Amino acid sequence: GAVVSQHPSRVICKSGTSVKIECRSLDFQATTMFWYRQFPKKSLMLMATSNEGSKATYEQGVEKDKFLINHASLTLSTLTVTSAHPEDSSFYICSASFRRGKGAGFNEQYFGPGTRLTVT
Amino acid sequence: DAKTTQPPSMDCAEGRAANLPCNHSTISGNEYVYWYRQIHSQGPQYIIHGLKNNETNEMASLIITEDRKSSTLILPHATLRDTAVYYCIVTGGSYIPTFGRGTSLIVHP
Repeated sequence: GAVVSQHPSRVICKSGTSVKIECRSLDFQATTMFWYRQFPKKSLMLMATSNEGSKATYEQGVEKDKFLINHASLTLSTLTVTSAHPEDSSFYICSASFRRGKGAGFNEQYFGPGTRLTVT
Repeated sequence: DAKTTQPPSMDCAEGRAANLPCNHSTISGNEYVYWYRQIHSQGPQYIIHGLKNNETNEMASLIITEDRKSSTLILPHATLRDTAVYYCIVTGGSYIPTFGRGTSLIVHP
């Protein structure tokens, strides 16, 4: 259980175009979804946190108008990279979390397989 | 969230136990210790977590010192497929994990 999928797994786009990445929790309802970006040989950097039906909270330095996040349901969040440029080329990873049971002091978090974006 | 310190790299022979240390000397009372790993070009995979007691699951064991200032992840019989970057994360109720550099574990034949 607790599977998170991402689509597409790889995408190549031309500079100036927009790309949408989907993140789905397949067998659970996610209270919160997170979007990360990872450059080669670097650690994951949190971009934004989103709760279903509300606006995403972006980390400092992340442009909300460039990285549009929509969290329309408890199982789906999308990240749209608008007017992509070569420097946006990266590995984008989503994760979804849920609180396991009443009284549990933590949220379990499960990661998607990632989406490799290349902007030419 | 408390900061963690991990060695940048380790290696281990296949079949042997891999012991990955993590220092978290500023951990507070309500913060959990989580371990994830990331195999190359994949999303991170949850391994185990704990608060103060030692924990064991099908993947690994987690040993947390009595003062909770450090912990060790143990892979009892490492295989080549365990080669990955291992992240130790300490976080509390808000649970927005922050990933450090982690430990790159290489399991060799």
